[in-house]
Amino acid sequence: GDSVTQTEGPVTVSESESLIINCTYSATSIAYPNLFWYVRYPGEGLQLLLKVITAGQKGSSRGFEATYNKETTSFHLQKASVQESDSAVYYCALGGSAGNKLTFGIGTRVLVRP
Amino acid sequence: DPKIIQKPKYLVAVTGSEKILICEQYLGHNAMYWYRQSAKKPLEFMFSYSYQKLMDNQTASSRFQPQSSKKNHLDLQITALKPDDSATYFCASSQDGQPNTEVFFGKGTRLTVV
Repeated sequence: GDSVTQTEGPVTVSESESLIINCTYSATSIAYPNLFWYVRYPGEGLQLLLKVITAGQKGSSRGFEATYNKETTSFHLQKASVQESDSAVYYCALGGSAGNKLTFGIGTRVLVRP
Repeated sequence: DPKIIQKPKYLVAVTGSEKILICEQYLGHNAMYWYRQSAKKPLEFMFSYSYQKLMDNQTASSRFQPQSSKKNHLDLQITALKPDDSATYFCASSQDGQPNTEVFFGKGTRLTVV
């Protein structure tokens, strides 16, 4: 079946440092998977951070970027300079199947120290 | 204001009992979903409904039964509860069940079975 593997947390970084969360995927049931990053801030539900539906393209939002790399089956999330408000749990996911089912990674908790 | 309301936020249940997790969405969406996240596991797709009809069921156990009394409701009934059912259950919705349609999540119900 489909699966997503991402960096195990927690990841602790200091404010203004860079952040990278690795994500690799295996899509056996979807010919052209779509890739997503969701974020869950404390006390909130998951919300879409960014998505990319075409291989080779980059998505960006709130200073975060991720590039859909079909060759390495990766979709790493990066931010050049984090802020304390970026403390959250980040989920990599793949979709694109009928029924709009999403397959998630385990989630990476990020703690940003002031 | 939260647009997807899940009740209760926390729930403790005794092994063998039955509980209903409530979900209502006020986004005008036609597709609704249930996901579950157990400790140290990825978020896992359970069910999807579109226009109040079951689209996909990835839950092996018949102890989990979605109930859709209205278009914007998708409750989850769980019978004969087991400690392994302890997890956070997320309700979600999207405009329709087509791939690429953004999925919105509720804040979750954390269920503990003792």
